[in-house]
Amino acid sequence: DGGITQSPKYLFRKEGQNVTLSCEQNLNHDAMYWYRQDPGQGLRLIYYSQIVNDFQKGDIAEGYSVSREKKESFPLTVTSAQKNPTAFYLCASRRSGTSDSYEQYFGPGTRLTVT
Amino acid sequence: AQTVTQSQPEMSVQEAETVTLSCTYDTSESDYYLFWYKQPPSRQMILVIRQEAYKQQNATENRFSVNFQKAAKSFSLKISDSQLGDAAMYFCAYRPSYGNKLVFGAGTILRVKS
Repeated sequence: DGGITQSPKYLFRKEGQNVTLSCEQNLNHDAMYWYRQDPGQGLRLIYYSQIVNDFQKGDIAEGYSVSREKKESFPLTVTSAQKNPTAFYLCASRRSGTSDSYEQYFGPGTRLTVT
Repeated sequence: AQTVTQSQPEMSVQEAETVTLSCTYDTSESDYYLFWYKQPPSRQMILVIRQEAYKQQNATENRFSVNFQKAAKSFSLKISDSQLGDAAMYFCAYRPSYGNKLVFGAGTILRVKS
């Protein structure tokens, strides 16, 4: 089955530690995205990547970093510089260059709790 | 900057009845896409329906339809014959035609009563 996987579903870390969230897709999509979701708010874009080895900051990139070494993988690192890292993180992907290019598909998300 | 506003934090509907969720947006673009996403308790985001701004005809997907008013910048979602499985958070989202970023509203929680 094609889709997006995010692991783990729940992640717990101590304050001051960096943590990396995994996102893998086998949809052969070019573009990938990371969003953060907080209670009572919509999704906010952290980073996105349109092609391998290239990525751009979203609206709330401070305290986060990403890499895109492979088309199917777009890991997100939450660094100790992120002041409020506890949140639900969603990864998405989108095919570009076709008539379906406008739809983003989402993974199941990772709930990160930092104490 | 584009913004999306969902003015109803929560809505309730009786099973089998019809409910309409509101969404307004602000943009200076003339060509763009609008979406409604559903997020059930599992938190998996699911695309419900999409609308291309250049199309005058309102999109419909089974029990889900939209009322797209381009001049008013309004994009409401109508759910007919509501079912218990429709209970979820619903997000309205906007994307310009030549952009990559989706802009989301804050969401509306829909409760379905049996």
